[in-house]
Amino acid sequence: DAGVTQSPTHLIKTRGQQVTLRCSPKSGHDTVSWYQQALGQGPQFIFQYYEEEERQRGNFPDRFSGHQFPNYSSELNVNALLLGDSALYLCASSLGETGGIQYFGAGTRLSVL
Amino acid sequence: AQSVSQHNHHVILSEAASLELGCNYSYGGTVNLFWYVQYPGQHLQLLLKYFSGDPLVKGIKGFEAEFIKSKFSFNLRKPSVQWSDTAEYFCAVKAAGNKLTFGGGTRVLVKP
Repeated sequence: DAGVTQSPTHLIKTRGQQVTLRCSPKSGHDTVSWYQQALGQGPQFIFQYYEEEERQRGNFPDRFSGHQFPNYSSELNVNALLLGDSALYLCASSLGETGGIQYFGAGTRLSVL
Repeated sequence: AQSVSQHNHHVILSEAASLELGCNYSYGGTVNLFWYVQYPGQHLQLLLKYFSGDPLVKGIKGFEAEFIKSKFSFNLRKPSVQWSDTAEYFCAVKAAGNKLTFGGGTRVLVKP
């Protein structure tokens, strides 16, 4: 039973560039949430996707956008990268829009130079 | 908006010592509460959860946590730690929707 998988594991970009991160949820899960974890801090909620729609959003600018596909996998896109976007980006999957326990992937480490 | 506070950023203790990590949250309504653990080089894993019922919940690896509603607290405990408990521990709260709000984490180092 595959857990949550994320790709790539590491990524280096320069300021102003755009990046796409990918997530495949745990088998049987239909909801994907994205979190940003800066060094030395706890994860911060970016947004949640369910039924291919963004259902809930945290306090992140519009430069952060996402998508969910019919197979429940998801992408996180960040435009116009800033140095402050350097962080570990975590994907979590769960079953159902609100009630499920969230299982986390290993994350994508993004470095913006 | 809800917030979560973990009182200790770093804890160092010896094997067989008891561990207690504090967690307080601010939110007036019904919440679900979680403790996640991140072992070195691994992903976040769920240690235990509280949804309703008995406020004393037991999780994996001998951990337990007590929900005290009047104190808005959900403290994590383990009577006797092992070297393998070295990890970072995160308390998290879920109120409305699917959003988890995490505390800043507590790094625990268990010396053999």
